[in-house]
Amino acid sequence: QKEVEQNSGPLSVPEGAIASLNCTYSDRGSQSFFWYRQYSGKSPELIMFIYSNGDKEDGRFTAQLNKASQYVSLLIRDSQPSDSATYLCAVNGPGGGGNKLTFGTGTQLKVEL
Amino acid sequence: EPEVTQTPSHQVTQMGQEVILRCVPISNHLYFYWYRQILGQKVEFLVSFYNNEISEKSEIFDDQFSVERPDGSNFTLKIRSTKLEDSAMYFCASSGSTYNSPLHFGNGTRLTVT
Repeated sequence: QKEVEQNSGPLSVPEGAIASLNCTYSDRGSQSFFWYRQYSGKSPELIMFIYSNGDKEDGRFTAQLNKASQYVSLLIRDSQPSDSATYLCAVNGPGGGGNKLTFGTGTQLKVEL
Repeated sequence: EPEVTQTPSHQVTQMGQEVILRCVPISNHLYFYWYRQILGQKVEFLVSFYNNEISEKSEIFDDQFSVERPDGSNFTLKIRSTKLEDSAMYFCASSGSTYNSPLHFGNGTRLTVT
């Protein structure tokens, strides 16, 4: 069974700092990796996706993927109080049927003034 | 920006009753999904739908559940006889033309079974 592991936190960082969120996954066949942000009581909102080893940057966000270590991370630069949310790592494997995602439990991020 | 819309935002029903949750996926998307999140727990996959049929379903998606795309825009989840443990947030999602396209989620329907 596929597992996606995240530290539940909370991870507290001061405003303006870099927040580093980590995720490991068990299925070596996983091919697609996603980071979603979820505010309390709201739906997951897509932040980043990455398919290949290495780094992918989008504004203040950088996703990093290391398939050999089965590890994916999200860096948030210049953290803002509005970044305070739960960050969900989601992983998909090979095969058809669309993008069936396995989610982690999420890491709660708190950005403090 | 196009978005996935879900109705109703909150549904309260009595145990044993049937409920239908409705979704309008993003118009040019080809894959449709239902996920659920029990309060305080992970987001869990229920079912994926492509080309007018179920492409994959989880163990949760038993005979009490069904999905339908009754017309060109709506995508529905029916729970035939609700149980207390069906209480959760139900999220509809859609994705584009490739199997690994990112999912875009609707705002969810909070289902409360009493």
